[in-house]
Amino acid sequence: GAGVSQSPSNKVTEKGKDVELRCDPISGHTALYWYRQSLGQGLEFLIYFQGNSAPDKSGLPSDRFSAERTGGSVSTLTIQRTQQEDSAVYLCASSGRGLAGTYNEQFFGPGTRLTVL
Amino acid sequence: AQSVTQLDSQVPVFEEAPVELRCNYSSSVSVYLFWYVQYPNQGLQLLLKYLSGSTLVKGINGFEAEFNKSQTSFHLRKPSVHISDTAEYFCAVTRMDSSYKLIFGSGTRLLVRP
Repeated sequence: GAGVSQSPSNKVTEKGKDVELRCDPISGHTALYWYRQSLGQGLEFLIYFQGNSAPDKSGLPSDRFSAERTGGSVSTLTIQRTQQEDSAVYLCASSGRGLAGTYNEQFFGPGTRLTVL
Repeated sequence: AQSVTQLDSQVPVFEEAPVELRCNYSSSVSVYLFWYVQYPNQGLQLLLKYLSGSTLVKGINGFEAEFNKSQTSFHLRKPSVHISDTAEYFCAVTRMDSSYKLIFGSGTRLLVRP
C-alpha cells in the first residue's frame, strides 16, 4: 500500500504481559515517529528515528517502553510488563528527507488500539 | 519547551454556519504550525500548515487558518461547515530543528448538526 500501515489494529492484553506493535512506513521515508493518544494525556510524542542517527527517545514515559527500527524501515514498539495506564492508541508516522532545514510532512498510520485489562 | 492550548473541547455548530476553532501556542523559539483532523476510528490527516510567508494559509476541505505572531495564535476557520466535517481537530507545533516532533493541543471536537 501507499500509506503507513500498523499492526495489529487492536490488541487486548493482560496486565503484566509484554506487547509488540509494528509500523511499516511509506517506502523511502527516512524519518519515523511514534506517538501515543490517550484520554488522560492527549496526543504525545514518544520516539523519533532518522536514518542511521541515534533515536530521540525523549518522549518515552518509562523504561518499560522501547523501540527499534530494523534496516531503516519497519519499526517495532515494545511495552514490557504492561500496565492499565498504557491503554491508548499508538500512532506511527513517517516522513521523507528533503533539503536540509526543510520540513517534510508526517503521514500517519491508522494506529493500534491497545487495551490492558 | 513548546505548548499548545485549545480552549474549546467541543464546538457544536449547525450545518452551513461558519466556525472558528481556537489555538494558542507558547514557544521561546520559532515554530511551524499545523492543524490535523481525525475522523472516527481513523488516523490523523493534515489539514494545513504554516511554515513561512503569508500568514493566511489555506488547506483542504475549505479550511483556512491565520498565523498571528503577536497573539501567538493559529485559529482555524471555515465559512460554511458540512455534516461531514464532524471530527476531532488538533492544533500542533514543531520547532524548526531537525527532529520536527509534533507537540499537540488537547483537541477540539467539531459537532455539525443538521
